[in-house]
Amino acid sequence: EADIYQTPRYLVIGTGKKITLECSQTMGHDKMYWYQQDPGMELHLIHYSYGVNSTEKGDLSSESTVSRIRTEHFPLTLESARPSHTSQYLCASSESGQGAGNTIYFGEGSWLTVV
Amino acid sequence: AQSVTQLGSHVSVSEGALVLLRCNYSSSVPPYLFWYVQYPNQGLQLLLKYTSAATLVKGINGFEAEFKKSETSFHLTKPSAHMSDAAEYFCAVSRSAGRRALTFGSGTRLQVQP
Repeated sequence: EADIYQTPRYLVIGTGKKITLECSQTMGHDKMYWYQQDPGMELHLIHYSYGVNSTEKGDLSSESTVSRIRTEHFPLTLESARPSHTSQYLCASSESGQGAGNTIYFGEGSWLTVV
Repeated sequence: AQSVTQLGSHVSVSEGALVLLRCNYSSSVPPYLFWYVQYPNQGLQLLLKYTSAATLVKGINGFEAEFKKSETSFHLTKPSAHMSDAAEYFCAVSRSAGRRALTFGSGTRLQVQP
């Protein structure tokens, strides 16, 4: 079992609101990720972090921002939510080392609906 | 660039029947390949992974997958389907350099009929 937690699990907010999706892992993993998944669709990487104070944009352009001040914490923020941001956001983490074969562990996801 | 293609967005089998979910990869270097399962309203759970050791990989819940370089495939199989296997299954490839994040296929929804 992976120890990676996301809050909130479900959120409905109005257009223009600022929201932060929280993600925490207790495994001491250096690498953390945010993926976006529309219902029934594939996952797309939107943010990536190698470690503290290291973040990069992913493959899919996103208006969200992330920060990595602590190893265990990787929050995602939308300054002004829009209906197009409605989606599921999945946080994940993995160890460094062992090349590309490391397992990536996922949280249970945060379902965001912007009305 | 590495990518995976999952053939068939929906697969339906009868309980007790063989499960076969297809995944083909494209990679310029030896890939690392993964199968994840996603149950409704949940995150992804690792089923199994190939990391250049044995070509036949056994995973959880009775699933296994075989890496076939000549066919660039990594199909997921289970001899006998259970109702509890109904879920979305994702094949993924890991990049060999740079971010080493996973690139996912579009997913296959498995339905198990009683």
